[in-house]
Amino acid sequence: AQTVTQSQPEMSVQEAETVTLSCTYDTSENNYYLFWYKQPPSRQMILVIRQEAYKQQNATENRFSVNFQKAAKSFSLKISDSQLGDTAMYFCAFMKQKGANSKLTFGKGITLSVRP
Amino acid sequence: DTAVSQTPKYLVTQMGNDKSIKCEQNLGHDTMYWYKQDSKKFLKIMFSYNNKELIINETVPNRFSPKSPDKAHLNLHINSLELGDSAVYFCASSRLAGLYEGETQYFGPGTRLLVL
Repeated sequence: AQTVTQSQPEMSVQEAETVTLSCTYDTSENNYYLFWYKQPPSRQMILVIRQEAYKQQNATENRFSVNFQKAAKSFSLKISDSQLGDTAMYFCAFMKQKGANSKLTFGKGITLSVRP
Repeated sequence: DTAVSQTPKYLVTQMGNDKSIKCEQNLGHDTMYWYKQDSKKFLKIMFSYNNKELIINETVPNRFSPKSPDKAHLNLHINSLELGDSAVYFCASSRLAGLYEGETQYFGPGTRLLVL
């Protein structure tokens, strides 16, 4: 079974600064996907970024980038130039690549507050 | 255009009642899911359907019964509601959960269920 660990319950960052959210996971699979989802106060789950385990290059989406360390089973999210709208809960998630059971296994989430 | 929609958005009901939550996706996806987010914000898979066929059924009480009339719809019916059923229920969809690759899941806005 896969597990996803987000050990920091909450973080705070000043607007325009950079913040890194940590995530580690445990799996015996070799091929899998990793995701970061954002859940603002509106409750909507919004995909931020996704990484395929077979790709060595770290995924990037505008101000969001990941540091994927496959051997260390680490998948951190870096948010550059933080904006007030980034205030939300962030969930790290794992999905097996092979098999029909493509369920997402989530971490407990981290609450990020961006200060003006 | 709403990609994954759920109704109702809020549901307040008495213990012992039966209620349904509906989900529809217009993304042309083959696979749909139900997730439960508890009071501590932890998200966990409940069910998934692929082309109207049940694929994942996590250890969910028999009082919960999903139904997929077609691949664009996945409803969740809950019998004999209990206090512990109070949570936010999210529907999600993805392209075919095939044997060779998983796909990104897109979430609906969630249904907040409160059982009194």
